[in-house]
Amino acid sequence: AQSVAQPEDQVNVAEGNPLTVKCTYSVSGNPYLFWYVQYPNRGLQFLLKYITGDNLVKGSYGFEAEFNKSQTSFHLKKPSALVSDSALYFCAVRVIPKEDTGRRALTFGSGTRLQVQP
Amino acid sequence: DGGITQSPKYLFRKEGQNVTLSCEQNLNHDAMYWYRQDPGQGLRLIYYSQIVNDFQKGDIAEGYSVSREKKESFPLTVTSAQKNPTAFYLCASSRMLTGANTEAFFGQGTRLTVV
Repeated sequence: AQSVAQPEDQVNVAEGNPLTVKCTYSVSGNPYLFWYVQYPNRGLQFLLKYITGDNLVKGSYGFEAEFNKSQTSFHLKKPSALVSDSALYFCAVRVIPKEDTGRRALTFGSGTRLQVQP
Repeated sequence: DGGITQSPKYLFRKEGQNVTLSCEQNLNHDAMYWYRQDPGQGLRLIYYSQIVNDFQKGDIAEGYSVSREKKESFPLTVTSAQKNPTAFYLCASSRMLTGANTEAFFGQGTRLTVV
């Protein structure tokens, strides 16, 4: 089984300040972790992914995320927030069962709304 | 340009009607997915397909049906058995590799409303 938790429904940050959007996961096996962003009435846009290797992953629009295996976390970060970053952010996990069968689809968290104030 | 196209953008259904949501991709991806999005609940998997003529139920398949007759197309039918169909529906696709390291690409969604 695989699951993702985003403990904050909303995060508020002032423009220019650093932002963090939290994500923790639970999987049986090695996780493949993803962050997506959604603007109102639109589909999801891919931001970044962790597969293996360096725990700090850099993605689109200046976002980065840090994989922490001991804490089973994959928090999204940005050093300096922009008003245009205001959107809904989703963390997702995918894992392949050892038998290489079964669910290959992403499992999503419930989403975190980011509000950046001018 | 390449991508995933969902149509229509808005759809209204009367009680007891079946409706079909279209999803087409030109990315040459093998895998396709349907998710349902409700406020505060994130995305829930309805159905997914790994190859043509094959599909699997997701977490909330009851009241929905799909087909995968062509690699490019994965239509979703919302049947009258789905008691609460009002939601935002998202189609996605991804390449099929032996590993899991492939991100999904999403369409722009279809908002279905029961009237």
